[in-house]
Amino acid sequence: KQEVTQIPAALSVPEGENLVLNCSFTDSAIYNLQWFRQDPGKGLTSLLLIQSSQREQTSGRLNASLDKSSGRSTLYIAASQPGDSATYLCAVNFGNEKLTFGTGTRLTIIP
Amino acid sequence: DGGITQSPKYLFRKEGQNVTLSCEQNLNHDAMYWYRQDPGQGLRLIYYSQIVNDFQKGDIAEGYSVSREKKESFPLTVTSAQKNPTAFYLCASSIYAGAGYGYTFGSGTRLTVV
Repeated sequence: KQEVTQIPAALSVPEGENLVLNCSFTDSAIYNLQWFRQDPGKGLTSLLLIQSSQREQTSGRLNASLDKSSGRSTLYIAASQPGDSATYLCAVNFGNEKLTFGTGTRLTIIP
Repeated sequence: DGGITQSPKYLFRKEGQNVTLSCEQNLNHDAMYWYRQDPGQGLRLIYYSQIVNDFQKGDIAEGYSVSREKKESFPLTVTSAQKNPTAFYLCASSIYAGAGYGYTFGSGTRLTVV
């Protein structure tokens, strides 16, 4: 069964620290992986899309990496800010015309 | 700006009623999707459409119906057959249904059974 796991479910860090969010998936034959941000009661905002042929993608303070052989992706957030507080979702396209989502990591940045 | 518009933002349904959630996109995307989100669970796919006048069941289609008469619109009807409809519903689109393209999501509709 193709599954996506995000651990931990919740994470709190002081403002200014760098942090890493983790995503693991069970099938290495993926097409792409997408990281989203979700604020309470809101829809999903796409952060980064990594194709299967890529190792990483960067946008501002965000860097996402992909290691298909180990079934892992990380989202690195540099110099965290209170505005980064949100739930971060990892979604994998296994090539079957849908995204499979993890349950997310709820991030709280402490001022 | 292009995007996906979901309406209403909040919807209340009485037992036995059918309700329809609206999803409109102006991104010129071919593929559209409906997901359901429940607390503590990942998003689950209800229905998707690769092209106008075509749609496919997702993982949890029972109790739901859709139509795709226009490229821009993909409404979702929650029927009385859906046993536990209270949830947050998200509509998404991508350029094509094929793998390799990112998804864009709307702001969601929160449905509550009263």
